Amino acid sequence: DAGVTQTPRHEVAEKGQTIILKCEPVSGHNDLFWYRQTKIQGLELLSYFRSKSLMEDGGAFKDRFKAEMLNSSFSTLKIQPTEPKDSAVYLCASSFGTGGREQYFGPGTRLTVL
Amino acid sequence: GQQVKQSSPSLTVQEGGISILNCDYENDMFDYFAWYKKYPDNSPTLLISVRSNVDKREDGRLTVFLNKSGKHFSLHITASQPEDTAVYLCAAANYGNEKITFGAGTKLTIKP
Repeated sequence: DAGVTQTPRHEVAEKGQTIILKCEPVSGHNDLFWYRQTKIQGLELLSYFRSKSLMEDGGAFKDRFKAEMLNSSFSTLKIQPTEPKDSAVYLCASSFGTGGREQYFGPGTRLTVL
Repeated sequence: GQQVKQSSPSLTVQEGGISILNCDYENDMFDYFAWYKKYPDNSPTLLISVRSNVDKREDGRLTVFLNKSGKHFSLHITASQPEDTAVYLCAAANYGNEKITFGAGTKLTIKP
């Protein structure tokens, strides 16, 4: 079985650009999560989908971050416009949901904004 | 504010010793508690989890202790080995909500 896949693995952007990160969850999983990982803050939740419905949009990340789940097997995270402080690793995770809480993480996308 | 806190950003333990990682939480509705392990440049993976109806769970060298009245849980690793060196993230969730709140992590280093 394929795990969670994320593309690209690395992204370098200029300040002000629009970037789109992609995620494919584990087949059959109902819940999908986007996180930002930094050394200082650890894992910060950006978005949470259940059966393709947006359950949480990450509060403070609303204005420039937009996650979408076009179908049960594909999600995107758009950052527009990018700022240097957005440099981090972005992780996507999925789980069965409904009592199956173990989250399976993708390899992450390392974003550098110059 | 942080709902799940790991107050120690780092911990060093001698090989063969017991590593004790601690986590405090604020939400007394949490009923699911877990520890994830993360190697450098890798993603977190689930190590062990417990529900709130038990106060202890063992799995090999790992034991999770849950103190609900103190809103605290810990991970004990006995006979610590160099391959235990990693970042450990504690996590918690409340019933009916699959969203997990993670702590910031504790970097554990096992010295040979």
